[in-house]
Amino acid sequence: DIQMTQSPSSLSASVGDRVTITCRSSQTIRNYLNWYQQKPGKAPKLLIYAASSLQSGVPSRFSGSGSGTDFTLTISSLQPEDFATYYCQQSYSTPPVTFGGGTKVEI
Amino acid sequence: EVQLVESGGTLVQPGGSLRLSCVASGFTFSDYDMHWVRQAPGKGLEWVSTIGTAGDTYYPGSVKGRFSISRENAKNSLYLQMHSLRAGDTAVYYCVRANFDIRGYIFYFDFWGQGTLVTVSS
Repeated sequence: DIQMTQSPSSLSASVGDRVTITCRSSQTIRNYLNWYQQKPGKAPKLLIYAASSLQSGVPSRFSGSGSGTDFTLTISSLQPEDFATYYCQQSYSTPPVTFGGGTKVEI
Repeated sequence: EVQLVESGGTLVQPGGSLRLSCVASGFTFSDYDMHWVRQAPGKGLEWVSTIGTAGDTYYPGSVKGRFSISRENAKNSLYLQMHSLRAGDTAVYYCVRANFDIRGYIFYFDFWGQGTLVTVSS
């Protein structure tokens, strides 16, 4: 099974900050990597698919990059509504579908 | 508008059984692979099962042999039958639609239900 490791597990940031979250896979997954945002008590929401494609309706301050084993989610200017937990997920070698452990973005 | 509405979550004793349901609307249900993903309290996301458009099914080792996913396209419905439930199965269970990128290779979860809580406890 492919293991997904996110770092950091949590971070503190301020409105307007540039925030970068990293996801690493235990073996190459090419660009088969997706990112989700989850707010407390809510279902996850798709942000980025195929490593760098922005899901329709998602603000352009979110971007994704990477290929192979190392991936990044960047929020160019953090907004109040972006405080949430972010998860990466691989769909290269399934089953099983695997998720990273999550990164909580806090004030 | 795509909607996925789960139901069936409740308190159940260890060793018990439960069936979750998910009703889909706003898209052609039979055209999509569907999944269940769960989240234990305060924990991350865990994939639980997949059913393809042809009815093929997949499970992780943690639930294989205990859980069974099924679909009823005529009713736009997805199900998860759970047996031999354990405390570790306590979680919010999400019904999730999978979609594919333009080349049809990379799938991602583009719509999620609101979730239904399953609590396994005596």
